[in-house]
Amino acid sequence: SQQGEEDPQALSIQEGENATMNCSYKTSINNLQWYRQNSGRGLVHLILIRSNEREKHSGRLRVTLDTSKKSSSLLITASRAADTASYFCATDGGYSTLTFGKGTMLLVSP
Amino acid sequence: DARVTQTPRHKVTEMGQEVTMRCQPILGHNTVFWYRQTMMQGLELLAYFRNRAPLDDSGMPKDRFSAEMPDATLATLKIQPSEPRDSAVYFCASGLVEWDGYTFGSGTRLTVV
Repeated sequence: SQQGEEDPQALSIQEGENATMNCSYKTSINNLQWYRQNSGRGLVHLILIRSNEREKHSGRLRVTLDTSKKSSSLLITASRAADTASYFCATDGGYSTLTFGKGTMLLVSP
Repeated sequence: DARVTQTPRHKVTEMGQEVTMRCQPILGHNTVFWYRQTMMQGLELLAYFRNRAPLDDSGMPKDRFSAEMPDATLATLKIQPSEPRDSAVYFCASGLVEWDGYTFGSGTRLTVV
């Protein structure tokens, strides 16, 4: 069963715009991770945020975590056509196994 | 860059046949996962190994699926007998416990006809 649920299911923007994806989860977590999947490929780890962190940055990525609301957001700034992919949040409940949501499909048009 | 290698990349087989998928985790990684991805169910955890010992295979249909790590460089996922509902992309991932994320292979796309 899915622990994380991403919102929206699909997002279409123009190059240069920012993209925000949200993830909600149900039970307590040790950390939350975001992955990207290009069509027909494996998942690529983007960023991990631990339960005692509130915000983390990596290049054009910004992740926030609100454990009181059991939610996280991923912001991609100044998006590029190459950012077109599906984005998944995955929660680690403390046993190091990841439970994935169904993902957000991001389309960035030139 | 170090990578997780999965073979075969594609497999088409007839219902009832045995299917074996292989994964070479990144050298030094002590944690290996098998996930299955379908449009309907998304990514489902099938099996989880740490230091080659199976820790969790509760997501795996035990009557037909089996997962093993005969050595640190090889993980296998076997389906016998295969059924059309097993058609999916099967991913292997490896990492270090407490490492910053896991590395996924490119997957095996299985089609059972």
